[in-house]
Amino acid sequence: DAKTTQPNSMESNEEEPVHLPCNHSTISGTDYIHWYRQLPSQGPEYVIHGLTSNVNNRMASLAIAEDRKSSTLILHRATLRDAAVYYCILRVHSGAGSYQLTFGKGTKLSVIP
Amino acid sequence: AAGVIQSPRHLIKEKRETATLKCYPIPRHDTVYWYQQGPGQDPQFLISFYEKMQSDKGSIPDRFSAQQFSDYHSELNMSSLELGDSALYFCASSPGQGAYEQYFGPGTRLTVT
Repeated sequence: DAKTTQPNSMESNEEEPVHLPCNHSTISGTDYIHWYRQLPSQGPEYVIHGLTSNVNNRMASLAIAEDRKSSTLILHRATLRDAAVYYCILRVHSGAGSYQLTFGKGTKLSVIP
Repeated sequence: AAGVIQSPRHLIKEKRETATLKCYPIPRHDTVYWYQQGPGQDPQFLISFYEKMQSDKGSIPDRFSAQQFSDYHSELNMSSLELGDSALYFCASSPGQGAYEQYFGPGTRLTVT
């Protein structure tokens, strides 16, 4: 399985942008890049996903490198509610392969008021 | 909007007892995933079902079994419980195996004493 590498932890000041990096140098052509987050004492929550192009939704933006070997999740204005563990996950969506989420270590984001 | 329902939310069992965890997916979701998250650990995939058939299997002990019923709810049966089975058990559902998002329930916290 293709693996991802993320920093163990990051800090951000409230209302400032946050850039969470993820390296996935062994990504295959059929892997989508997913981001989930897990707030304390809750189940994981979908944030965003992409394949090749940058993506935006109401929660965040996803910037994908041209060679797809790395990506960055961007929270435009961090709030205290964004304090969570953020997981970068590679996943296929069709054809042969497993559809489960394989969680790595993730990045624990702390937001400072 | 309806979410994934898990019951019970908390369960305390003694060693060697059995436990049954239930998961009710979001209406019209035909795919269910089970994940286990030990204390201080990241979620680990156990097993999944698509249209009432087992679709994938992860690191699920032989003491555990699961099934998906005709109404798409799923049950995880755990026998000969061990102290190491103490964990949060999450169920997630999605509309199809290749769906982009998995929606997680609040989890069942199992404590084995």
